Amino acid sequence: DAGVTQSPTHLIKTRGQQVTLRCSPKSGHDTVSWYQQALGQGPQFIFQYYEEEERQRGNFPDRFSGHQFPNYSSELNVNALLLGDSALYLCASSSDSLAKNIQYFGAGTRLSVL
Amino acid sequence: AQTVTQSQPEMSVQEAETVTLSCTYDTSESDYYLFWYKQPPSRQMILVIRQEAYKQQNATENRFSVNFQKAAKSFSLKISDSQLGDAAMYFCAYRNFMEYGNKLVFGAGTILRVKS
Repeated sequence: DAGVTQSPTHLIKTRGQQVTLRCSPKSGHDTVSWYQQALGQGPQFIFQYYEEEERQRGNFPDRFSGHQFPNYSSELNVNALLLGDSALYLCASSSDSLAKNIQYFGAGTRLSVL
Repeated sequence: AQTVTQSQPEMSVQEAETVTLSCTYDTSESDYYLFWYKQPPSRQMILVIRQEAYKQQNATENRFSVNFQKAAKSFSLKISDSQLGDAAMYFCAYRNFMEYGNKLVFGAGTILRVKS
C-alpha cells in the first residue's frame, strides 16, 4: 500500500515564475491538505481539499491556489514566486470516514526560488 | 486562533535514557486533539502519539507517553529508553474537534539529539 506521494522531490525556480506541485493521497483517503514549512520552522497550513472543493484555508495570499481531481489527487499552484516562497511543501491525506481521521504526510517537495 | 508553543529549540539525551519534550497551547475550545509528530532527516512527518482532550488518561505508545494537563494547557512527550533512531525534529500539533475540516496547527519544533 503506497503512502502519500509527492512530486517532484526538488524544484528550482526564479522570482516571478509559476510552479505546480503534485500529491497523490494514501489509498482510501479522500481529503488532501497542503502545508508550507520554512527552514527551521513548523509547518503552516495552506489549504485543504475535500470532494474537489477547498474546505479550509490558512493565511496565505491568492497566489497560492489548488485543485483536487476526481481520483482525490491534488495540485498546489503558486504564481508570481517570491524569494520567501522557498520552503518544503508538505502534502497530507486523511479520510473523514475513518474514526481517527489522522493526517498522513508525504516526504515533501523542496522549492528553491532564486 | 489557536497557537502551539514549543519552548525547547533543541534537546539532547544519552542512549537508553529518558527525555521529556515540552509543549503548551492556547485555545478557547473544550474539545480538541493533540499530536506529536516526528520528522527525521528524510523529511517525512510520522505520527508518534495522539491524545483526545476529553480523555483524562494519558496516551501511551510503546516507549512514548504523554503528560496531558488540560487545565494548564500543557502536553509533554516522554521518550523512554531513547534509541539512536529517535533523533529527529519533533513537532507538537493541535486540531479542533468540531471544526469542519481537520487542519493542524504546529509548534516550531524541538530538535532531539541522541548520544551514543
